[in-house]
Amino acid sequence: GAGVSQSPSNKVTEKGKDVELRCDPISGHTALYWYRQSLGQGLEFLIYFQGNSAPDKSGLPSDRFSAERTGGSVSTLTIQRTQQEDSAVYLCASSSTGNTEAFFGQGTRLTVV
Amino acid sequence: AQSVTQLDSQVPVFEEAPVELRCNYSSSVSVYLFWYVQYPNQGLQLLLKYLSGSTLVKGINGFEAEFNKSQTSFHLRKPSVHISDTAEYFCAVSPRNQAGTALIFGKGTTLSVSS
Repeated sequence: GAGVSQSPSNKVTEKGKDVELRCDPISGHTALYWYRQSLGQGLEFLIYFQGNSAPDKSGLPSDRFSAERTGGSVSTLTIQRTQQEDSAVYLCASSSTGNTEAFFGQGTRLTVV
Repeated sequence: AQSVTQLDSQVPVFEEAPVELRCNYSSSVSVYLFWYVQYPNQGLQLLLKYLSGSTLVKGINGFEAEFNKSQTSFHLRKPSVHISDTAEYFCAVSPRNQAGTALIFGKGTTLSVSS
């Protein structure tokens, strides 16, 4: 597609349930990023995929969070046993080799009730 | 590792006034520098970037930023703001020529322009 696509745009889930958030990057982009945006916290880096290299998972806040990228394209961020503090907007971005510009999706607004 | 500090969390200004949003970074390697803007209820979009060359970078909507290596700063400026500039502004860095590292963002500055 023309831009980074994220789905769903909104997700309301009950505490303790698992959720999956999807990101379709721009075709041909080798790098893919996940960020979490909470009020007053800016953009918190979660995980970064670059080509076939091992992902940088240093930003994942707990072992309840995981992400995978299949075939170097689509990525899924999974949050297990969701907690209320997981409520945030989850943003995905992609960029071409060299990191000269990251293009962002519209985000998934996750609400844990 | 890199880090970004945006010195002002909120900047209120009147329309047609000049504005400066401050950004300082820390890095042990050379970096690329970016400013992103997020308008209300919209996604992030690139405002401008510094990769190399002239330290004064011009972006969209009349914004510009100046890279100061000695002060490790990349402040964003606009000589005359409009109501439509009301948004969240994020400064970001990434290591130059290093694959496998992510963009690191500051916590953002909310620019509120009033008439």
